[in-house]
Amino acid sequence: GAVVSQHPSRVICKSGTSVKIECRSLDFQATTMFWYRQFPKQSLMLMATSNEGSKATYEQGVEKDKFLINHASLTLSTLTVTSAHPEDSSFYICSARWPRTGPGEKLFFGSGTQLSVL
Amino acid sequence: GQSLEQPSEVTAVEGAIVQINCTYQTSGFYGLSWYQQHDGGAPTFLSYNALDGLEETGRFSSFLSRSDSYGYLLLQELQMKDSASYFCAVWEDSSYKLIFGSGTRLLVRP
Repeated sequence: GAVVSQHPSRVICKSGTSVKIECRSLDFQATTMFWYRQFPKQSLMLMATSNEGSKATYEQGVEKDKFLINHASLTLSTLTVTSAHPEDSSFYICSARWPRTGPGEKLFFGSGTQLSVL
Repeated sequence: GQSLEQPSEVTAVEGAIVQINCTYQTSGFYGLSWYQQHDGGAPTFLSYNALDGLEETGRFSSFLSRSDSYGYLLLQELQMKDSASYFCAVWEDSSYKLIFGSGTRLLVRP
């Protein structure tokens, strides 16, 4: 099956610093990737849709200047949490859809990144 | 608006059958998916229903009724390893986004 690699798996940073999370599709080209955020024992909340070669589409309430998404190639999307604060501490998960498929196809998820901001 | 409702917790014994219900209200609908997530792990795909009826995959089955905006996941012959969170998720046909429900934590007891 398709593999999505996400790094780092865990990061601890000081308040005010920026953190970059990488999401790579290892054996397929992902024109679209999705970024989710999950608080403990809660659901996955869609943050944004990342499209290769164009600007990301953010969900309502997600600050695009705080959560910078770059999808510069067909296999890599990055999420940068800028000027992180303790309330940004969360589990961030990326996912990708097999190319040239429509809705209903399963998403392949990365292993997630646990961000802790001190 | 969008809402997907699931029970928050379900407890069952090993070997039993459990049904996790999901009701949804979304601006667009293409199909209903189910994902499993163990603590600290990534969600993994279980099943997908685009049409009314029952889909069976091994010990897991999923059902959809589009007219009732309702679906369920049926887990048979429960095993301890089935203890996890289960999410229903809706593909919105207008935006091609996957929206997750609130999740159900399943605890399987010996």
